[in-house]
Amino acid sequence: KAGVTQTPRYLIKTRGQQVTLSCSPISGHRSVSWYQQTPGQGLQFLFEYFSETQRNKGNFPGRFSGRQFSNSRSEMNVSTLELGDSALYLCASSGEGLSNQPQHFGDGTRLSIL
Amino acid sequence: QKEVEQDPGPLSVPEGAIVSLNCTYSNSAFQYFMWYRQYSRKGPELLMYTYSSGNKEDGRFTAQVDKSSKYISLFIRDSQPSDSATYLCSTSGTYKYIFGTGTRLKVLA
Repeated sequence: KAGVTQTPRYLIKTRGQQVTLSCSPISGHRSVSWYQQTPGQGLQFLFEYFSETQRNKGNFPGRFSGRQFSNSRSEMNVSTLELGDSALYLCASSGEGLSNQPQHFGDGTRLSIL
Repeated sequence: QKEVEQDPGPLSVPEGAIVSLNCTYSNSAFQYFMWYRQYSRKGPELLMYTYSSGNKEDGRFTAQVDKSSKYISLFIRDSQPSDSATYLCSTSGTYKYIFGTGTRLKVLA
């Protein structure tokens, strides 16, 4: 069974640009969550999607947005990039995002802002 | 107060040692607990998943939950250099998962 797939693996952008990251969950998983990971802050929750609906959102500015498609694949968009957005962005999936279902992670997209 | 607290380490131990990794959590409503292992340049990998107080064993790994003191632990027996990684504890709420900051472990050959 294929795991969570994230593309691209690496991205280099400059300040002010925008970026779109993609995530394909494990087959059959309908809940997808996004996280930002930095050395100082650890894993910070961005948002969670289920059946194309955002059910929960972390404390990030509106420049961070996402969406989910009918096949459960998800994208995350960051507009007007800032230097502080440099991080590893991780996607995780679970069956239905219920508390009794652990998440499984992809290997992330490493975003560097110049 | 953070919902999950974890000592960031780093923790260095000799090969063969027993390693103890610990987290505390604040909300007694949390019922499910996970441990993840994350190697450099990789995503977190689910190691252990537990529910309720007590121990769960899987090979060299034992996860322990003490709900009365809101304390979770991961023990690694006969530690190997390949166990060198960051270990993240986690629990789950309504449509969200909460993570500790991770403990960096280095097992010296």
